Amino acid sequence: QQQVKQSPQSLIVQKGGISIINCAYENTAFDYFPWYQQFPGKGPALLIAIRPDVSEKKEGRFTISFNKSAKQFSLHIMDSQPGDSATYFCAARGRDNFNKFYFGSGTKLNVKP
Amino acid sequence: KAGVTQTPRYLIKTRGQQVTLSCSPISGHRSVSWYQQTPGQGLQFLFEYFSETQRNKGNFPGRFSGRQFSNSRSEMNVSTLELGDSALYLCASSPRLEYREQYFGPGTRLTVT
Repeated sequence: QQQVKQSPQSLIVQKGGISIINCAYENTAFDYFPWYQQFPGKGPALLIAIRPDVSEKKEGRFTISFNKSAKQFSLHIMDSQPGDSATYFCAARGRDNFNKFYFGSGTKLNVKP
Repeated sequence: KAGVTQTPRYLIKTRGQQVTLSCSPISGHRSVSWYQQTPGQGLQFLFEYFSETQRNKGNFPGRFSGRQFSNSRSEMNVSTLELGDSALYLCASSPRLEYREQYFGPGTRLTVT
């Protein structure tokens, strides 16, 4: 059973457009929700993260929107650039679960110039 | 500060063999986690070590094992390799348990033939 469901699987966006990736979870014990960016041949790198007591977090062009009641969270990439082309993973971690993270299946983003 | 290093980067093994992968965390980091990444299953948590003790374990068979040394370096071992073990094995380190940010290495690409 997949703990974190991510969509879409792939996404094509024009340069300057907004990229939106969605994730949903069921486990209400999750208390930390990071997004990772992975380029080919590299390990995932933390992009931005949010805790459930906050509904939105913005860092530069990247914003996480969090809906606790719906158990959903999403990543918005504003003014998408070709350099943003990568695979994005959402993840979640439960309380008292140390560093055991559950990852979404990933979204391959392609930003067209 | 040097990042997480993993050796070897690429490995080809035959079904039935065993393999040992190595991970050196960022200097000063004491927690090391291992993940398996495959196109079909995405990123799946294998186990986490802190102070030479396994603190958390994912849902993998006993053929997958690991250990951590006093200098925080970690190894994972897979015995009796199966074709389905072909994957990218990622190591991530954190300064301590329950520290939310994980830093991933580039991974070891294991191919089982």
